[in-house]
Amino acid sequence: KAGVTQTPRYLIKTRGQQVTLSCSPISGHRSVSWYQQTPGQGLQFLFEYFSETQRNKGNFPGRFSGRQFSNSRSEMNVSTLELGDSALYLCASSLEGGAYEQYFGPGTRLTVT
Amino acid sequence: AQKITQTQPGMFVQEKEAVTLDCTYDTSDPSYGLFWYKQPSSGEMIFLIYQGSYDQQNATEGRYSLNFQKARKSANLVISASQLGDSAMYFCAMRERRGGSQGNLIFGKGTKLSVKP
Repeated sequence: KAGVTQTPRYLIKTRGQQVTLSCSPISGHRSVSWYQQTPGQGLQFLFEYFSETQRNKGNFPGRFSGRQFSNSRSEMNVSTLELGDSALYLCASSLEGGAYEQYFGPGTRLTVT
Repeated sequence: AQKITQTQPGMFVQEKEAVTLDCTYDTSDPSYGLFWYKQPSSGEMIFLIYQGSYDQQNATEGRYSLNFQKARKSANLVISASQLGDSAMYFCAMRERRGGSQGNLIFGKGTKLSVKP
């Protein structure tokens, strides 16, 4: 069974631009969560989608948004990029969310210049 | 308040020896789950082991075991017979229910483990 895939793996953007990251979960998994990892703040939860609905949201500004499609694939969008948005963005999928373990993708490393 | 505390920023262990990575947590929810993940330098988070708050026995997965002490709110990871490939960052995480939601993972700051040949 294929794992979680994320595209692109690396991205360089300029401050003020917007970016869209994509995540394809493990086949059969309906929950997709997004995390931001930075050296200073560590791993922080962005949001979780389940059956095309945002089920949970972390403490991030409205510039960060996401969506989930009927095939469970998910995208996250960051508008008006800031230097502080430079991070590794990790996507994780699980069967139902909740107590089930989450399986992570390789991440997208975003650099904002 | 920090919910997951990993007090060891870095650790060294000799190959083939056992090592314990510490994790303490804080929650008032009686239903929660504890996880350990490994993150090699490539960046991918690899799930290692899970312990539910109502599980009576400590979780084990191959060379990994979780020393769960509920009263002390600790969930230490024990790696037996360390291998060079175990060198990585290790994160302890907790999932707690939040209202009607299943909650999300809260991560500690991580411990960098280095295995010496």
